[in-house]
Amino acid sequence: DTAVSQTPKYLVTQMGNDKSIKCEQNLGHDTMYWYKQDSKKFLKIMFSYNNKELIINETVPNRFSPKSPDKAHLNLHINSLELGDSAVYFCASSPQPLSGGAGGNADTQYFGPGTRLTVL
Amino acid sequence: KQEVTQIPAALSVPEGENLVLNCSFTDSAIYNLQWFRQDPGKGLTSLLLIQSSQREQTSGRLNASLDKSSGRSTLYIAASQPGDSATYLCAVRRQGGSEKLVFGKGTKLTVNP
Repeated sequence: DTAVSQTPKYLVTQMGNDKSIKCEQNLGHDTMYWYKQDSKKFLKIMFSYNNKELIINETVPNRFSPKSPDKAHLNLHINSLELGDSAVYFCASSPQPLSGGAGGNADTQYFGPGTRLTVL
Repeated sequence: KQEVTQIPAALSVPEGENLVLNCSFTDSAIYNLQWFRQDPGKGLTSLLLIQSSQREQTSGRLNASLDKSSGRSTLYIAASQPGDSATYLCAVRRQGGSEKLVFGKGTKLTVNP
């Protein structure tokens, strides 16, 4: 049973299009994240949601709009795609946010398999 | 601003060798440090998490140490196997309320049979 799943795994699209990536976790976690891994393999956080509320937005262009319909899902919608958006996007989840954390493995983040986005 | 550096960027060893991967971070005010493994075309798998109050964590052939004051962590892999070939990433979480992890660029490990 997949803990954190993302769809699609691959996404190839033309510049200017709008696309969405979906993420679901069946771990019962409260917090979900989106990370971007660029061509240099550098992994950086984009957003974090806790119980459907945004808690981190790391200076991401407003063409990127995360949506959390419930705490098990965090989708990423991208408008007007640009060449520089090509990357691998990872979704992750953790049991609770740091500010309320009990420490230990409660802070462990579990990652999805990634979505490779290629903008042509 | 926290920066995480991993050295070396790539490492190739023969099977059976013990090896050490290094991670350094610029701001010692961390909440915890986590080591991940990333296989090609796949997501990240959490290997070990060390809280700031801990010195080391062990899981099987893996041992991670943390020296917070000097801003360093090491991941020791004993008796390496070809299946250990992957990219190993370390990430730190800042003390004081930020949920985000700051990642290093990783060390690509190849274990040759």
